[in-house]
This record gives sequence, structure tokens and C-alpha cells, in this order.
Amino acid sequence: AQSVTQLGSHVSVSEGALVLLRCNYSSSVPPYLFWYVQYPNQGLQLLLKYTSAATLVKGINGFEAEFKKSETSFHLTKPSAHMSDAAEYFCAVSEWCGSEKLVFGKGTKLTVNP
Amino acid sequence: GAVVSQHPSWVICKSGTSVKIECRSLDFQATTMFWYRQFPKQSLMLMATSNEGSKATYEQGVEKDKFLINHASLTLSTLTVTSAHPEDSSFYICSAHFSSLQTQYFGPGTRLLVL
Repeated sequence: AQSVTQLGSHVSVSEGALVLLRCNYSSSVPPYLFWYVQYPNQGLQLLLKYTSAATLVKGINGFEAEFKKSETSFHLTKPSAHMSDAAEYFCAVSEWCGSEKLVFGKGTKLTVNP
Repeated sequence: GAVVSQHPSWVICKSGTSVKIECRSLDFQATTMFWYRQFPKQSLMLMATSNEGSKATYEQGVEKDKFLINHASLTLSTLTVTSAHPEDSSFYICSAHFSSLQTQYFGPGTRLLVL
């Protein structure tokens, strides 16, 4: 079964600094990988997804993620953090090929300091 | 596109009453929708998979008689919390699976408080 590990439940960066949120999946290659963002008291918003096309995926709000099979990783990055990026970020993988179910990581809370 | 709505966004109920939460896909059809529960500062916990025209599939430990799910159309799934108690207070989030995009799109969530 797929599993997702998000290293660091809390990440704090300064405004303008690089954002790096880590996500590792279990050894078998997942069909699809996702990053979602959740603002307080809201649902999840899709940031980006990997679907076995380009390994570097660009998403909304300046975020991007790179699928690295050798490292079983799908880390989320943004070159310059903005105050509005403060939120909870969830990495998710599809359970298996053709599955509609997602397996979520525990989430990483991003704090952006002025 | 790919907008999912939930209603209500906030509800306060007395213990013992039932409450219904609606999840709608506004601009696409979804044969599969999902219901999640989220506790404070935690990740999402999948409760059940809602399948249009058939019975929902519940995750282990979720009482199907407590959390009734009806997926009556390709754009609407409802979750009814029957005889709600304070321990049912939580943030409930639905998602709809957009099959051609192989992506789940989430509703804004419903915060339930049972007194």
C-alpha cells in the first residue's frame, strides 16, 4: 500500500526566502502525486499534480514540485515566500493505478515571518 | 472550473439531532465523491467513498448507520450524521473525483458543533 511521509510538521521561513516542503512516497511508483494547500477553516485547494509527464511540475501561486524517482520524492518549492503562503500543505498520492482514492501525508504547516 | 460546494459551512446542533451536509460538484459530474473528517491540527481522515447509484464504501471503524451517505445524482452527495453527539463535532470535508483529470477537488468544508 502507498504511504506518504512529509518531513517536518512545521516549517518557518522569512518573507522572500525559499520555501521547501518535503514529501516522500513509498517505494512503488505512484500513478499520480498531488500537493494541496489548506487555509484556515477552508477545504483543500489543488496546487499542482504529477501525472507521469514532465518531472518538474508547475502549479499555482508560483509553486512547483519535482518528481524524483531515485529519491522517491516529490518536494514542493517556491523561490520567494509571500505572507499569503502561510497555510497547511498536504502531499497526496493515488493509492494505485486507476484508483480514485488518495493517501495523504500528515501535512506541513508553513509559517512566513515578516 | 472544477468547483465543489458544501452546505452548510457552519452548523450547531443539539445532541441527539441529525444533521445533513450536502456536497455538490458545480461544473462537472462525479461518479465518485469522498467524505473526510479532519480533527484540529491533523490530516484528513477518509470516512467513506460515495458512489453514484450504489452504496457507499466505508473505511474501517466508521459506523455506516451513524454516517449515512447518499449519492443520488452525478453532482450531489449527502452525508447525514444521525443522532449527533458532542464527539461528532468536527470539520467535515467532501471531495469530488473529476475522472478525466484523475483529480479530487475539495469542497470548502463544514464545521459541525454538537452541544
